[in-house]
Amino acid sequence: GEDVEQSLFLSVREGDSSVINCTYTDSSSTYLYWYKQEPGAGLQLLTYIFSNMDMKQDQRLTVLLNKKDKHLSLRIADTQTGDSAIYFCAESIGGATNKLIFGTGTLLAVQP
Amino acid sequence: DADVTQTPRNRITKTGKRIMLECSQTKGHDRMYWYRQDPGLGLRLIYYSFDVKDINKGEISDGYSVSRQAQAKFSLSLESAIPNQTALYFCATGHRDYPYNEQFFGPGTRLTVL
Repeated sequence: GEDVEQSLFLSVREGDSSVINCTYTDSSSTYLYWYKQEPGAGLQLLTYIFSNMDMKQDQRLTVLLNKKDKHLSLRIADTQTGDSAIYFCAESIGGATNKLIFGTGTLLAVQP
Repeated sequence: DADVTQTPRNRITKTGKRIMLECSQTKGHDRMYWYRQDPGLGLRLIYYSFDVKDINKGEISDGYSVSRQAQAKFSLSLESAIPNQTALYFCATGHRDYPYNEQFFGPGTRLTVL
């Protein structure tokens, strides 16, 4: 079945790196995503990775994909207080149906 | 101006009442979605629509109905609200031509059913 799991909470100090992990079950996922939800706001796409890639880097963000273990991670370098938010992992399933399956979300708390 | 808007932003209602949540978008997208967010459960898909004449159930459609009045408008109704429908509801849009299936979210509607 379709299931995406994340740890619920991560606390880091400002300036440290943050690593948020996610496991998924659908090996046919075409894309995997990280969405960010700031307090009182909707979700915004942070980054995504195509399923035939192992890594994607975008400024302070690094996404690693291990297809064998169905594991996705998001690393945020030099974490800032503005990075405090809930981060959702999601997978795209069903080809043209454009359905997303979201994880439970990880609350990242950045301590000054 | 926001591309995806939701009204109301907050609503408190009583058990048994009929409630409608509205979503409008100015992005020209053909696809629209309704999700609910519950603590510890992430987002779950309620209904989705690929165009005005196409409506599909998501994983948790029981107790909900939708109407796609126009390409830009997608409403979610709770025919007879119950307390376990208390949640944060998000509308999202997408387009068939987007290569990586990005969805764009509204700000959410916080619904409390007493």
